[in-house]
Amino acid sequence: KNEVEQSPQNLTAQEGEFITINCSYSVGISALHWLQQHPGGGIVSLFMLSSGKKKHGRLIATINIQEKHSSLHITASHPRDSAVYICAVSQLGGSQGNLIFGKGTKLSVKP
Amino acid sequence: EPEVTQTPSHQVTQMGQEVILRCVPISNHLYFYWYRQILGQKVEFLVSFYNNEISEKSEIFDDQFSVERPDGSNFTLKIRSTKLEDSAMYFCASSGRRDFQETQYFGPGTRLLVL
Repeated sequence: KNEVEQSPQNLTAQEGEFITINCSYSVGISALHWLQQHPGGGIVSLFMLSSGKKKHGRLIATINIQEKHSSLHITASHPRDSAVYICAVSQLGGSQGNLIFGKGTKLSVKP
Repeated sequence: EPEVTQTPSHQVTQMGQEVILRCVPISNHLYFYWYRQILGQKVEFLVSFYNNEISEKSEIFDDQFSVERPDGSNFTLKIRSTKLEDSAMYFCASSGRRDFQETQYFGPGTRLLVL
């Protein structure tokens, strides 16, 4: 049973398109993380949120605690946004670092 | 910008050998973590470490694994007797706070191949 589900698994977009990646989870959480994994394997943390919405540049993350759902949006997508985007959650009662990860969404943005 | 570093970037070892993966967390951080990612699979939590002791560990982190902060800067993961299934990318991460107001910073990873 996957406690963190992401959709879609793969996404191909044209440069400039608005992109949405979804994450649903089945456990009680303290926080939800959005991470970016580059083709070389390195992981960068994009957002950590426990309610509402956060924005950084062209990236927007939202979370609905009642519905146990989060979305990551990319506006005006660019080929350099091509990466795997991973949703991860910190379970209620657990430590911040004990994350449950989704399988990731592989995004490819074509010029 | 401060960053987490890991060495080596790649390591190849024979089954049954001991390996030590090294990490240098961000200097004022207090909380340290190891994760692994088997090729083609999702990232998995291994262990969290604070105040010179393990604060939480997963089922994966069995007696073959140990962590240590031997000095003020390094944070190491030791696998005593490697198995083929230990082949994976190992990520170290650190954070400055225990609460949920600060995210973690990940290192670039060490790719371990056990033959």
